[in-house]
Amino acid sequence: SAVISQKPSRDICQRGTSLTIQCQVDSQVTMMFWYRQQPGQSLTLIATANQGSEATYESGFVIDKFPISRPNLTFSTLTVSNMSPEDSSIYLCSVPTGGKSNEQFFGPGTRLTVL
Amino acid sequence: AQKITQTQPGMFVQEKEAVTLDCTYDTSDQSYGLFWYKQPSSGEMIFLIYQGSYDEQNATEGRYSLNFQKARKSANLVISASQLGDSAMYFCAMRVSNDYKLSFGAGTTVTVRA
Repeated sequence: SAVISQKPSRDICQRGTSLTIQCQVDSQVTMMFWYRQQPGQSLTLIATANQGSEATYESGFVIDKFPISRPNLTFSTLTVSNMSPEDSSIYLCSVPTGGKSNEQFFGPGTRLTVL
Repeated sequence: AQKITQTQPGMFVQEKEAVTLDCTYDTSDQSYGLFWYKQPSSGEMIFLIYQGSYDEQNATEGRYSLNFQKARKSANLVISASQLGDSAMYFCAMRVSNDYKLSFGAGTTVTVRA
């Protein structure tokens, strides 16, 4: 199984500022995903972080708001830009293990509150 | 597009009893996978169990089992011998073919009573 860490675990930010969330995996993985979970809601996929190329965004999410970096096969960052209270959510990165194992793991999440 | 439906917003179960969480799905793909996750109040997503569309037997992992009825497009999670620590939100999710993106249901909150 993959061990995934995220930083920060939580933060409280002022509107209009930006926060960068880091995701570190203990092994090389081809795919990494970023999800958002708004309060009381289910998880929604933001984007797929691609190593060596631009991230692929889902409908409703744009690069200017959620820029993503993937400098190598074990690390990715998600930035939440120009934050508003509506961005208050848990942000989670996820990696599939692939192969014969069909597990798909999540990082511990970053709980963001925007005031 | 894939759709996951969890119709039970919340459930109560007595400690040591079994509970079944409903999940139905809709997809036109023949190859897909179904997942169940547990999310305690801490917010982490804990992988519980996986069922592939071509798996002939229902998946089991300890106290968790998946009642997979392909024709009915349902993948219900059964938790046996409930424990107080099972109190959490439970999500059903699906991915299709070789696309590793997950689509999630709305979730079911389980509260285990002593």
